[in-house]
Amino acid sequence: SQELEQSPQSLIVQEGKNLTINCTSSKTLYGLYWYKQKYGEGLIFLMMLQKGGEEKSHEKITAKLDEKKQQSSLHITASQPSHAGIYLCGADSSLGNEKLTFGTGTRLTIIP
Amino acid sequence: GAVVSQHPSWVICKSGTSVKIECRSLDFQATTMFWYRQFPKQSLMLMATSNEGSKATYEQGVEKDKFLINHASLTLSTLTVTSAHPEDSSFYICSARVQASSYEQYFGPGTRLTVT
Repeated sequence: SQELEQSPQSLIVQEGKNLTINCTSSKTLYGLYWYKQKYGEGLIFLMMLQKGGEEKSHEKITAKLDEKKQQSSLHITASQPSHAGIYLCGADSSLGNEKLTFGTGTRLTIIP
Repeated sequence: GAVVSQHPSWVICKSGTSVKIECRSLDFQATTMFWYRQFPKQSLMLMATSNEGSKATYEQGVEKDKFLINHASLTLSTLTVTSAHPEDSSFYICSARVQASSYEQYFGPGTRLTVT
């Protein structure tokens, strides 16, 4: 079965600083999703990457997919308190499969 | 964007009773919905895939007789935790995929179940 490992597991960053979260898959990535979760709440869809080399941005968040490395990174520029939360990557377990396997999560804390 | 709702948002029940959780897609039709559970400080674990009009597909290790799933319509899936025990206490989240778009999967706000 596919496993997704995220690093770091937790991150404490001063407001205004940049940060990067990584997600590495044990198998080929057919689709990679990034979600944000506030503790005890549902997941907020951030973005989805499908093609190797693909890069998407939304406001100050940029995600890239390195298909060869079976890895994706999420980069936040000039972090703000509103960015705090748990970031989860999810991946399609196989081509055309709808089931998502989730990473272990990265807990982000922003210090004012 | 597509909206998925869950009801209730939290529930406390006594051990041995059954609890039903609803998952609704509010502005789109979802032929497939997913049920996850999440323990504190852990990631989401897929429990089952719910297909409208057919039996749910359960992941390995998930008791189908304990976690009953019904997907009676294109906008509603229900998860019933039967004979709940304290170890069933968890955060249950459903999701639905908007197949007409680019495989984006939208999640409900979750239901926190506490079994006393």
